[in-house]
Amino acid sequence: SAVISQKPSRDICQRGTSLTIQCQVDSQVTMMFWYRQQPGQSLTLIATANQGSEATYESGFVIDKFPISRPNLTFSTLTVSNMSPEDSSIYLCSVGDPRGEQFFGPGTRLTVL
Amino acid sequence: GQSLEQPSEVTAVEGAIVQINCTYQTSGFYGLSWYQQHDGGAPTFLSYNALDGLEETGRFSSFLSRSDSYGYLLLQELQMKDSASYFCAIYNFNKFYFGSGTKLNVKP
Repeated sequence: SAVISQKPSRDICQRGTSLTIQCQVDSQVTMMFWYRQQPGQSLTLIATANQGSEATYESGFVIDKFPISRPNLTFSTLTVSNMSPEDSSIYLCSVGDPRGEQFFGPGTRLTVL
Repeated sequence: GQSLEQPSEVTAVEGAIVQINCTYQTSGFYGLSWYQQHDGGAPTFLSYNALDGLEETGRFSSFLSRSDSYGYLLLQELQMKDSASYFCAIYNFNKFYFGSGTKLNVKP
């Protein structure tokens, strides 16, 4: 298993601003992902963070809105840009392995006013 | 694309056995995983089925039938701490796609 930390744990932001969420893993991993989860809802995959190349985005998510960096095998950032109240959600990073296991960070609870 | 359906809510009593079903539609996948999430917490991995059949891990078992596009999570000897949301997830092309989730309420 991997130990994953996220910063910040929560934030309240004004509309039109941007927030960068950091994800740190205690070991080198290949597969790293970013999810969004509304309270009481399922997890929606935003993108796969690829080390050394652009992230791969899922349908409905674009790089201009959710730029992702992955400078090495233990760290990634997700930026939520030009925020609106609809972006209020919990953002989770995770790492996966080919055995089908996935481990999650504690999440970042974002509220946009 | 992928679609995974689960019952929205299940209620059971302490000490009982409960089965949470997951039906899916996908063009192909490596395996089916299960996750538990308590309110306010992050999802935690429970089990993974790469092959058809039953996988047992303590009080939890998971089953997969590719021919029926169906899987389930079986929880035995239910405890109050098992009250949580449970998600199935397909592992496909190095990505994971989650089901709609089932809220399990365990009553004394």
